[in-house]
Amino acid sequence: EAGVAQSPRYKIIEKRQSVAFWCNPISGHATLYWYQQILGQGPKLLIQFQNNGVVDDSQLPKDRFSAERLKGVDSTLKIQPAKLEDSAVYLCASSLSFTLEEKLFFGSGTQLSVL
Amino acid sequence: DAKTTQPPSMDCAEGRAANLPCNHSTISGNEYVYWYRQIHSQGPQYIIHGLKNNETNEMASLIITEDRKSSTLILPHATLRDTAVYYCIVRVGGGGSNYKLTFGKGTLLTVNP
Repeated sequence: EAGVAQSPRYKIIEKRQSVAFWCNPISGHATLYWYQQILGQGPKLLIQFQNNGVVDDSQLPKDRFSAERLKGVDSTLKIQPAKLEDSAVYLCASSLSFTLEEKLFFGSGTQLSVL
Repeated sequence: DAKTTQPPSMDCAEGRAANLPCNHSTISGNEYVYWYRQIHSQGPQYIIHGLKNNETNEMASLIITEDRKSSTLILPHATLRDTAVYYCIVRVGGGGSNYKLTFGKGTLLTVNP
């Protein structure tokens, strides 16, 4: 079974530039998550989709971050403009459905460095 | 939200059992205990979860105390590949919420040869 695919694996940009990350979840998984992981900390949920609808985006900095999941399959997370504090690993995860006992499957992440 | 407390780091000898503790004294009756681990440069990986009873799968065993205020993840025969950060998470849920999976800082388990 193919896992969660993310690209690019690494990205280096200068502050105030824009950047986009792509995620393709496991086939058939209805729920998709974007997490931000700053060095030395656990992942923090940014946004959660159920099919193509947003379930929770309470921790997404909406002045600069945006995400979409058109057609309820793959997803794109964008940052515009980037700040130094956005340097982190951005993890995408998916789960089969939206229940309390559902397991999340994570991709390997995109490591972003903002200079 | 029920919060968890884990030691920041632990060591274990290869081939021995690794016992990782977690305190979750404010856990509610319908909240599950989940364990994930994160190997360096990879995304987190699900290990096991439980509600009240002890659970075992091919990766680990989960022992939950009767009062549910703490739990222990057991890796029966640790290998070098088990070196990772282990996260104990109480999964928030109920009433149409999104069953958020909130990660803390976890325990860095180092398995030594």
